[in-house]
Amino acid sequence: GAVVSQHPSRVICKSGTSVKIECRSLDFQATTMFWYRQFPKQSLMLMATSNEGSKATYEQGVEKDKFLINHASLTLSTLTVTSAHPEDSSFYICSAEALANSPLHFGNGTRLTVT
Amino acid sequence: DQQVKQNSPSLSVQEGRISILNCDYTNSMFDYFLWYKKYPAEGPTFLISISSIKDKNEDGRFTVFLNKSAKHLSLHIVPSQPGDSAVYFCAALQGLDTGNQFYFGTGTSLTVIP
Repeated sequence: GAVVSQHPSRVICKSGTSVKIECRSLDFQATTMFWYRQFPKQSLMLMATSNEGSKATYEQGVEKDKFLINHASLTLSTLTVTSAHPEDSSFYICSAEALANSPLHFGNGTRLTVT
Repeated sequence: DQQVKQNSPSLSVQEGRISILNCDYTNSMFDYFLWYKKYPAEGPTFLISISSIKDKNEDGRFTVFLNKSAKHLSLHIVPSQPGDSAVYFCAALQGLDTGNQFYFGTGTSLTVIP
């Protein structure tokens, strides 16, 4: 079946550095990818929607300059957490779909810890 | 290995009637379950959740039922409205702590007919 690969699964970085998370669709072309964040003791919250070749659409309250999303190809989207701070420590997960009403496939998530 | 399954890819219901979306899971260690709703070209949004210590959680027109012995949960929408037409995903995880992996079903597309 369709697979979405997310890398890295865990990352620890120092405050002030930037971290890049990759989301790849392995056997299908993903026209749209979604990025989520899980706050402690809460469910996933949608951060942004990215379409290949265009700028990402961010949800209200999400800083686009801090969470840079690039969807340069139909199989890869990246989320870069810039100048990370301890409050950015969280679980980030991506999902991808080929077409608007096609099945949505989820990556396994990335646990970011900022020290 | 699909640990969360939604065996019905689609469902059509008349407006005003009840919509029942089903979800099965295989991992008995799952203790928190969620439903997400997705419109075309938009990301899934959180709808309702239930902890394994409960067997029912209600929020307005939406009710989630959990049958732990059958490893089955369902989402009831009463009454169904055309605006409920969307794809619904169930998800499960073991412990609502940051970093625990979410397991998603493949979704059920609900169409509410006016």
